[in-house]
Amino acid sequence: ETGVTQSPTHLIKTRGQQVTLRCSSQSGHNTVSWYQQALGQGPQFIFQYYREEENGRGNFPPRFSGLQFPNYSSELNVNALELDDSALYLCASSLSGRGTNYGYTFGSGTRLTVV
Amino acid sequence: QQQVKQSPQSLIVQKGGISIINCAYENTAFDYFPWYQQFPGKGPALLIAIRPDVSEKKEGRFTISFNKSAKQFSLHIMDSQPGDSATYFCAAATSWGKLQFGAGTQVVVTP
Repeated sequence: ETGVTQSPTHLIKTRGQQVTLRCSSQSGHNTVSWYQQALGQGPQFIFQYYREEENGRGNFPPRFSGLQFPNYSSELNVNALELDDSALYLCASSLSGRGTNYGYTFGSGTRLTVV
Repeated sequence: QQQVKQSPQSLIVQKGGISIINCAYENTAFDYFPWYQQFPGKGPALLIAIRPDVSEKKEGRFTISFNKSAKQFSLHIMDSQPGDSATYFCAAATSWGKLQFGAGTQVVVTP
């Protein structure tokens, strides 16, 4: 059984650019969530996808967008990058069904630096 | 608005000692309370989790105590080891919902 894998592991972008981060969910999981973790802080929820549809969103602007594919993998896209977007971006997958979530498995994250 | 408040921010414990981390929450709709361990450069890893229908759960050296009326829960790490040195996060969620994390506690276990 593979865990959650994220790519790339590190990325440096210039302010104003766009970035795409990728996530492969754990085998058997159908839900993917994305979190932003600034240095020294707890992860903050960006959004969640279930069966290819967004079903929850945190307090992030529309320039943060995502996709979930039929194989339950996911992408996080960030447009018009700002310096404050520098953070560790975490993907978490879970198995959801019948109104219950059975726990989340996190990937190791993508460290994004905006200069 | 921080829905999960965690304390202390950091703690130092001697090898063999007990580490205690406390969390408090506001939203009574939360029904899942996990604790995560995170090492530098890695994602959070689930340690142990509890649902509000039980008051305590133990897995190895890790115990969660849950007080539903006080809306508080805590993590006890017994017989702390240097390998336990990490940042610990409490979190809370509703079914289907996002995880709300605490701010984290950096634990250092001295030899």
